[in-house]
Amino acid sequence: ELKVEQNPLFLSMQEGKNYTIYCNYSTTSDRLYWYRQDPGKSLESLFVLLSNGAVKQEGRLMASLDTKARLSTLHITAAVHDLSATYFCAVDKASGTYKYIFGTGTRLKVLA
Amino acid sequence: DAGVTQSPTHLIKTRGQQVTLRCSPKSGHDTVSWYQQALGQGPQFIFQYYEEEERQRGNFPDRFSGHQFPNYSSELNVNALLLGDSALYLCASTGLGQDTEAFFGQGTRLTVV
Repeated sequence: ELKVEQNPLFLSMQEGKNYTIYCNYSTTSDRLYWYRQDPGKSLESLFVLLSNGAVKQEGRLMASLDTKARLSTLHITAAVHDLSATYFCAVDKASGTYKYIFGTGTRLKVLA
Repeated sequence: DAGVTQSPTHLIKTRGQQVTLRCSPKSGHDTVSWYQQALGQGPQFIFQYYEEEERQRGNFPDRFSGHQFPNYSSELNVNALLLGDSALYLCASTGLGQDTEAFFGQGTRLTVV
């Protein structure tokens, strides 16, 4: 059974600091997704990673995928308060099936 | 393009009742998946519909059922509601083989009292 684990579960950081969220998954998959969720809201797509070594950046966020290690990272550079949210990674159980297995989520709080 | 739309946005039901949630997929999409997100947890896959048939199913009891219509819209039905069914229900649509990701709707918040 495919399992997706994120760490840390909770992250409180100061503005201006850097940090990395880790996403480990248990079986082979070459599609990984990162989402942001604000309280009471739906999922906002951040990154789609489709191959080993994929790296994508948007503003202060950068995501990467290592399919051999079954690991994805979401790196936050110089955090700002607006980045406070819950971040989820999700893995497509079998490429192209769109049956997503989500991680536990990382609740990020950026302190001013 | 309206994207994926779900209705209603909020719903309160009593234990034992039945509920129907609705989803209209993004224009051009023919596959609809449903997810349940309990408070403080990640979304969990319920099932997926394609060509009006259930194609994949997650670990949910038979109280959860669905339907897809010829226009690709979908319904999620939950019978004999339990307090534990309180959650955000998300619908996602895809055009099979066309897209690299699924597109999520804004969700329906179901509260069972």
